[in-house]
Amino acid sequence: DAGVTQSPTHLIKTRGQHVTLRCSPISGHKSVSWYQQVLGQGPQFIFQYYEKEERGRGNFPDRFSARQFPNYSSELNVNALLLGDSALYLCASSLEGLGFEQYFGPGTRLTVT
Amino acid sequence: GEDVEQSLFLSVREGDSSVINCTYTDSSSTYLYWYKQEPGAGLQLLTYIFSNMDMKQDQRLTVLLNKKDKHLSLRIADTQTGDSAIYFCAESMAGGYQKVTFGTGTKLQVIP
Repeated sequence: DAGVTQSPTHLIKTRGQHVTLRCSPISGHKSVSWYQQVLGQGPQFIFQYYEKEERGRGNFPDRFSARQFPNYSSELNVNALLLGDSALYLCASSLEGLGFEQYFGPGTRLTVT
Repeated sequence: GEDVEQSLFLSVREGDSSVINCTYTDSSSTYLYWYKQEPGAGLQLLTYIFSNMDMKQDQRLTVLLNKKDKHLSLRIADTQTGDSAIYFCAESMAGGYQKVTFGTGTKLQVIP
């Protein structure tokens, strides 16, 4: 079975631009969570979606938004990019929204110049 | 608030045991995890423990939890060069949504 997949692998954007990152969960998993990992730090929770509804949001500005589609894939959108948004963005999927076993994708490396 | 702290670096010789330590502040944490991250890769869930347990063993991995001191440790027996990676301690609560709070990570270097 395929694991969690994310696209693109790498991305370079300019300050002020918009970016969309994509995630496909493991087949059968209904929950997707997004994390931001800045170099040298642990991942920080951004959003969780379960059955297409937002279940939780971390301490991130409104420039960050996400959605989940009927096939449980998800998009993370970031508007008005700042240099500080440069990070590895990780997607994790789990079978149920309240389960404790999350499986992470390889991430999308975003560089903002 | 939630906070998870780890030492930044650990160096061990191949074949020795490694012990990575972590402290957390949220006494309502229900699940405690250890994740492994290799260079350029995502996170791999190594093991987890429920807060009502003291110890969990899984092959070469032993997790010890001291709930009173809010201290979690991961022991890797017979450490191999393939164990070189960054290890993250993390915690989450039951109910609500599945927010996992991670520590800053401990870089384990295994010397051949």
